[in-house]
Amino acid sequence: EPEVTQTPSHQVTQMGQEVILRCVPISNHLYFYWYRQILGQKVEFLVSFYNNEISEKSEIFDDQFSVERPDGSNFTLKIRSTKLEDSAMYFCASSERQGNDEQFFGPGTRLTVL
Amino acid sequence: RKEVEQDPGPFNVPEGATVAFNCTYSNSASQSFFWYRQDCRKEPKLLMSVYSSGNEDGRFTAQLNRASQYISLLIRDSKLSDSATYLCVVIMNTGFQKLVFGTGTRLLVSP
Repeated sequence: EPEVTQTPSHQVTQMGQEVILRCVPISNHLYFYWYRQILGQKVEFLVSFYNNEISEKSEIFDDQFSVERPDGSNFTLKIRSTKLEDSAMYFCASSERQGNDEQFFGPGTRLTVL
Repeated sequence: RKEVEQDPGPFNVPEGATVAFNCTYSNSASQSFFWYRQDCRKEPKLLMSVYSSGNEDGRFTAQLNRASQYISLLIRDSKLSDSATYLCVVIMNTGFQKLVFGTGTRLLVSP
């Protein structure tokens, strides 16, 4: 069964450093998303991406964040200068279509900022 | 008011019990509703979509009441493997399929 994959599974970084979280969505999917979940809190939407552009972003997704689809398979989330409060689980998701189409989530990357 | 509100639990039930979870949402223009399941430190996985007519999938039944902005999930004959956090998820009537999650209701099924 096709699945969304994410690397690394755990990333530890120092405050102020740049991190890139990587995702490989399901191959025939066209819509891509990043969500995050701070420990003990709810899953929060960060950004959606379609046709090589951001289609929607949340207030969390400020200038420190960027997304890119550098090739036909990878979808990346970059945090330019990490803060302690960026520590969270980051989930990538993809879907084939819009509307009520199921979003398939990857296993997540746990980001720890020291 | 929170966009999607759930009782965090935990709900402790014995195997075989029937348990019900509720959820309310604030935006009356919301268009799509789901229940996701999340195991500890894992990704959310779709359990079922929720329709106005109600829908059933095996031991799981979901109901939507648009007038009251209320969603429910009923689990019959609980199994140990049902222990997880159940997330109420809504697509508001904005943008591209942004999922809005509740905080989740934790279920613990004991032998």
